Amino acid sequence: DTGVSQDPRHKITKRGQNVTFRCDPISEHNRLYWYRQTLGQGPEFLTYFQNEAQLEKSRLLSDRFSAERPKGSFSTLEIQRTEQGDSAMYLCASSQGTGNTEAFFGQGTRLTVV
Amino acid sequence: AQSVSQHNHHVILSEAASLELGCNYSYGGTVNLFWYVQYPGQHLQLLLKYFSGDPLVKGIKGFEAEFIKSKFSFNLRKPSVQWSDTAEYFCAVIFSGGYNKLIFGAGTRLAVHP
Repeated sequence: DTGVSQDPRHKITKRGQNVTFRCDPISEHNRLYWYRQTLGQGPEFLTYFQNEAQLEKSRLLSDRFSAERPKGSFSTLEIQRTEQGDSAMYLCASSQGTGNTEAFFGQGTRLTVV
Repeated sequence: AQSVSQHNHHVILSEAASLELGCNYSYGGTVNLFWYVQYPGQHLQLLLKYFSGDPLVKGIKGFEAEFIKSKFSFNLRKPSVQWSDTAEYFCAVIFSGGYNKLIFGAGTRLAVHP
Protein backbone atom coordinates (compact mmCIF):
# COMPACT_ATOMS: atom_id res chain seq x y z
CA ASP A 1 0.00 0.00 0.00
CA THR A 2 1.53 3.29 -1.08
CA GLY A 3 -0.68 5.60 0.92
CA VAL A 4 -3.06 8.27 -0.31
CA SER A 5 -2.37 9.22 -3.90
CA GLN A 6 -3.41 12.47 -5.57
CA ASP A 7 -3.25 13.44 -9.22
CA PRO A 8 -2.09 15.74 -10.63
CA ARG A 9 0.51 17.14 -8.25
CA HIS A 10 0.43 20.53 -9.94
CA LYS A 11 -2.14 22.24 -12.14
CA ILE A 12 -1.94 25.64 -13.77
CA THR A 13 -5.13 26.82 -15.39
CA LYS A 14 -6.56 29.99 -16.83
CA ARG A 15 -9.33 31.78 -15.00
CA GLY A 16 -12.71 30.49 -16.07
CA GLN A 17 -11.55 26.99 -16.96
CA ASN A 18 -12.77 23.84 -15.24
CA VAL A 19 -10.36 21.55 -13.40
CA THR A 20 -10.72 18.10 -11.88
CA PHE A 21 -8.51 16.46 -9.28
CA ARG A 22 -8.39 12.82 -8.32
CA CYS A 23 -7.72 11.14 -4.98
CA ASP A 24 -7.06 7.45 -4.42
CA PRO A 25 -7.35 6.68 -0.70
CA ILE A 26 -5.70 3.85 1.15
CA SER A 27 -7.54 0.72 0.16
CA GLU A 28 -10.33 -0.30 2.54
CA HIS A 29 -10.47 3.18 4.09
CA ASN A 30 -14.13 4.08 3.89
CA ARG A 31 -13.76 7.68 5.07
CA LEU A 32 -12.42 10.28 2.65
CA TYR A 33 -11.90 13.99 3.22
CA TRP A 34 -10.96 16.94 1.04
CA TYR A 35 -9.20 19.95 2.51
CA ARG A 36 -7.86 23.18 1.06
CA GLN A 37 -4.71 24.89 2.25
CA THR A 38 -3.63 28.41 1.37
CA LEU A 39 -0.30 30.03 2.12
CA GLY A 40 0.23 30.64 5.81
CA GLN A 41 -2.87 28.76 6.86
CA GLY A 42 -3.66 25.28 8.07
CA PRO A 43 -5.79 22.95 5.98
CA GLU A 44 -9.50 23.83 5.91
CA PHE A 45 -12.15 21.15 5.66
CA LEU A 46 -14.12 21.05 2.41
CA THR A 47 -16.11 17.83 2.33
CA TYR A 48 -16.40 14.31 3.73
CA PHE A 49 -17.43 10.99 2.23
CA GLN A 50 -18.31 7.80 4.02
CA ASN A 51 -18.11 5.17 1.32
CA GLU A 52 -19.94 6.76 -1.63
CA ALA A 53 -22.14 9.05 0.45
CA GLN A 54 -21.18 12.71 0.78
CA LEU A 55 -22.19 13.39 4.36
CA GLU A 56 -20.85 16.87 5.01
CA LYS A 57 -19.93 19.92 2.95
CA SER A 58 -18.28 23.07 4.24
CA ARG A 59 -19.65 26.51 3.50
CA LEU A 60 -16.31 27.00 1.72
CA LEU A 61 -17.56 24.64 -0.98
CA SER A 62 -19.38 27.03 -3.29
CA ASP A 63 -21.68 25.94 -6.09
CA ARG A 64 -18.68 25.88 -8.41
CA PHE A 65 -17.20 22.99 -6.47
CA SER A 66 -18.43 19.43 -6.69
CA ALA A 67 -17.01 16.23 -5.31
CA GLU A 68 -17.87 12.64 -6.01
CA ARG A 69 -16.89 9.22 -4.82
CA PRO A 70 -18.95 7.05 -7.14
CA LYS A 71 -17.94 3.57 -6.03
CA GLY A 72 -16.71 4.33 -2.58
CA SER A 73 -13.09 4.11 -3.66
CA PHE A 74 -11.42 7.01 -5.49
CA SER A 75 -12.83 10.51 -5.35
CA THR A 76 -12.81 13.51 -7.68
CA LEU A 77 -13.03 17.19 -6.88
CA GLU A 78 -14.11 19.47 -9.72
CA ILE A 79 -13.93 23.22 -9.76
CA GLN A 80 -15.92 24.96 -12.47
CA ARG A 81 -15.19 28.45 -13.78
CA THR A 82 -12.03 28.77 -11.72
CA GLU A 83 -11.18 32.07 -10.07
CA GLN A 84 -7.84 33.36 -8.84
CA GLY A 85 -9.03 32.88 -5.28
CA ASP A 86 -9.22 29.14 -5.92
CA SER A 87 -5.43 28.98 -6.07
CA ALA A 88 -4.42 26.71 -3.19
CA MET A 89 -3.19 23.26 -2.26
CA TYR A 90 -6.01 20.71 -2.31
CA LEU A 91 -5.43 17.85 0.10
CA CYS A 92 -7.13 14.50 0.32
CA ALA A 93 -7.12 12.31 3.41
CA SER A 94 -8.56 8.93 4.26
CA SER A 95 -9.20 6.92 7.39
CA GLN A 96 -10.80 3.72 8.52
CA GLY A 97 -14.39 3.93 9.62
CA THR A 98 -14.22 2.20 12.95
CA GLY A 99 -13.67 4.26 16.07
CA ASN A 100 -11.14 7.00 16.43
CA THR A 101 -8.42 6.57 13.88
CA GLU A 102 -5.90 8.86 12.34
CA ALA A 103 -6.31 10.36 8.92
CA PHE A 104 -3.60 9.79 6.32
CA PHE A 105 -2.92 12.61 3.90
CA GLY A 106 -1.85 12.65 0.30
CA GLN A 107 0.76 15.04 -1.04
CA GLY A 108 -1.87 17.32 -2.45
CA THR A 109 -2.61 19.01 -5.76
CA ARG A 110 -1.32 22.55 -6.05
CA LEU A 111 -3.66 24.64 -8.18
CA THR A 112 -2.58 27.94 -9.68
CA VAL A 113 -5.20 30.01 -11.48
CA VAL A 114 -3.72 32.66 -13.77
CA ALA B 1 -17.43 28.43 16.40
CA GLN B 2 -15.03 25.55 16.61
CA SER B 3 -11.49 26.81 16.22
CA VAL B 4 -7.87 25.98 16.93
CA SER B 5 -5.22 28.56 17.73
CA GLN B 6 -1.48 28.18 17.47
CA HIS B 7 0.37 30.94 19.25
CA ASN B 8 3.61 31.07 17.29
CA HIS B 9 3.71 31.34 13.53
CA HIS B 10 7.49 31.23 13.24
CA VAL B 11 10.02 29.80 15.69
CA ILE B 12 13.77 29.80 15.23
CA LEU B 13 15.95 27.66 17.46
CA SER B 14 19.47 26.38 17.65
CA GLU B 15 20.14 22.66 17.77
CA ALA B 16 19.77 21.16 21.28
CA ALA B 17 17.40 23.91 22.38
CA SER B 18 14.09 22.91 23.93
CA LEU B 19 10.86 23.37 22.02
CA GLU B 20 7.36 24.13 23.11
CA LEU B 21 4.61 25.00 20.64
CA GLY B 22 1.31 26.22 21.97
CA CYS B 23 -2.11 25.02 20.85
CA ASN B 24 -5.50 26.02 22.22
CA TYR B 25 -8.93 25.06 21.01
CA SER B 26 -12.39 26.43 21.51
CA TYR B 27 -14.75 24.68 23.87
CA GLY B 28 -16.46 21.78 22.15
CA GLY B 29 -17.10 18.99 24.58
CA THR B 30 -15.22 15.79 23.93
CA VAL B 31 -12.24 16.29 21.66
CA ASN B 32 -9.58 14.22 19.97
CA LEU B 33 -6.27 16.03 19.58
CA PHE B 34 -3.47 15.71 17.07
CA TRP B 35 -0.17 17.19 16.05
CA TYR B 36 0.84 16.80 12.41
CA VAL B 37 4.18 17.70 10.86
CA GLN B 38 4.94 18.67 7.30
CA TYR B 39 8.58 18.45 6.24
CA PRO B 40 9.59 20.51 3.20
CA GLY B 41 8.11 18.97 0.07
CA GLN B 42 6.37 16.18 1.91
CA HIS B 43 2.83 15.37 2.95
CA LEU B 44 1.31 15.85 6.40
CA GLN B 45 2.39 13.15 8.82
CA LEU B 46 1.02 12.34 12.24
CA LEU B 47 3.36 13.11 15.14
CA LEU B 48 1.08 12.10 17.98
CA LYS B 49 -2.55 11.90 19.00
CA TYR B 50 -4.68 11.99 22.11
CA PHE B 51 -8.05 10.28 22.39
CA SER B 52 -8.33 9.44 26.09
CA GLY B 53 -6.35 8.25 29.10
CA ASP B 54 -2.96 9.61 30.15
CA PRO B 55 -2.93 13.30 29.17
CA LEU B 56 0.81 13.15 28.51
CA VAL B 57 1.21 11.64 25.07
CA LYS B 58 4.45 10.51 23.52
CA GLY B 59 4.88 10.52 19.77
CA ILE B 60 7.50 9.81 17.19
CA LYS B 61 10.96 11.38 17.04
CA GLY B 62 11.03 12.31 20.74
CA PHE B 63 8.02 14.61 20.66
CA GLU B 64 5.42 14.69 23.39
CA ALA B 65 2.31 16.70 24.12
CA GLU B 66 0.24 17.39 27.19
CA PHE B 67 -3.53 17.72 27.19
CA ILE B 68 -4.71 20.17 29.84
CA LYS B 69 -8.49 20.03 29.74
CA SER B 70 -9.03 23.03 32.02
CA LYS B 71 -6.96 25.22 29.71
CA PHE B 72 -8.25 23.73 26.43
CA SER B 73 -4.63 23.26 25.51
CA PHE B 74 -2.48 20.61 23.83
CA ASN B 75 1.08 21.93 23.70
CA LEU B 76 3.82 20.14 21.84
CA ARG B 77 7.24 19.72 23.40
CA LYS B 78 10.65 18.32 22.60
CA PRO B 79 13.56 18.61 25.04
CA SER B 80 16.29 18.91 22.42
CA VAL B 81 15.61 19.77 18.78
CA GLN B 82 17.68 18.71 15.79
CA TRP B 83 18.24 20.35 12.44
CA SER B 84 16.04 17.61 10.92
CA ASP B 85 13.07 18.91 12.95
CA THR B 86 12.86 21.90 10.63
CA ALA B 87 9.29 21.70 9.37
CA GLU B 88 5.82 23.13 9.77
CA TYR B 89 3.77 21.85 12.70
CA PHE B 90 0.00 21.78 12.80
CA CYS B 91 -2.25 21.24 15.76
CA ALA B 92 -5.61 19.70 14.85
CA VAL B 93 -8.77 18.84 16.73
CA ILE B 94 -11.74 16.60 16.11
CA PHE B 95 -14.72 18.07 17.93
CA SER B 96 -17.54 15.78 18.93
CA GLY B 97 -20.28 15.27 16.37
CA GLY B 98 -18.13 16.29 13.43
CA TYR B 99 -17.74 13.15 11.32
CA ASN B 100 -14.15 12.96 12.52
CA LYS B 101 -13.17 15.97 10.44
CA LEU B 102 -10.02 17.73 11.56
CA ILE B 103 -10.01 21.42 12.41
CA PHE B 104 -6.47 22.73 12.00
CA GLY B 105 -4.58 25.60 13.50
CA ALA B 106 -2.68 27.95 11.19
CA GLY B 107 0.58 26.12 11.78
CA THR B 108 3.99 26.98 13.22
CA ARG B 109 7.00 27.09 10.97
CA LEU B 110 10.05 25.86 12.87
CA ALA B 111 13.59 26.51 11.69
CA VAL B 112 16.42 24.80 13.55
CA HIS B 113 19.91 26.12 12.93
CA PRO B 114 22.96 23.87 13.37
